[in-house]
Amino acid sequence: DTGVSQDPRHKITKRGQNVTFRCDPISEHNRLYWYRQTLGQGPEFLTYFQNEAQLEKSRLLSDRFSAERPKGSFSTLEIQRTEQGDSAMYLCASSLAGVGITEAFFGQGTRLTVV
Amino acid sequence: SQQGEEDPQALSIQEGENATMNCSYKTSINNLQWYRQNSGRGLVHLILIRSNEREKHSGRLRVTLDTSKKSSSLLITASRAADTASYFCATDTDSGTYKYIFGTGTRLKVLA
Repeated sequence: DTGVSQDPRHKITKRGQNVTFRCDPISEHNRLYWYRQTLGQGPEFLTYFQNEAQLEKSRLLSDRFSAERPKGSFSTLEIQRTEQGDSAMYLCASSLAGVGITEAFFGQGTRLTVV
Repeated sequence: SQQGEEDPQALSIQEGENATMNCSYKTSINNLQWYRQNSGRGLVHLILIRSNEREKHSGRLRVTLDTSKKSSSLLITASRAADTASYFCATDTDSGTYKYIFGTGTRLKVLA
């Protein structure tokens, strides 16, 4: 499978616990995005990387959220001290920058439920 | 904040009919993409249209872009029950940032 891969697909956690999600982009893609989507809404931008550099973070990304892409390949999104309001689908996407405009492809998402 | 707004929010049609969804956005763009999302799943990329293009086709899909009106439309011809999904437009901006901003989506239901 050469698409964007996210792990886990589902995560149930107790309030106050930390969670970490992983995203493996399409192998040659240098740009990686994280989005959050709640029921009935469109995806909301959280952050994006070009190679290993985190170029932009949304104000939605509070201090409890951190994202990394240490070697410019896979990325992790960590949420510390989870709250019930963090329950959402977390989506990752990747694209190829630098050779014109290319599509952004999404993974299947990680659905987080905070109880 | 949402850059795009889809219209209508919900659409219900009979199989075989055409479905048209519209997307309006606020700032100048480099390109606009349309995505499909089945319930609880990830987004599937449908088509990308660049700011210097006015129309693109892909199978039963036809996308138009009017940059003067800051709007785009997605037409699905001869709809099928399997087209039932939410459809989103996503725009970048030409401000030097490369994030994509999504609209609120159109929920399409195709009745068999």
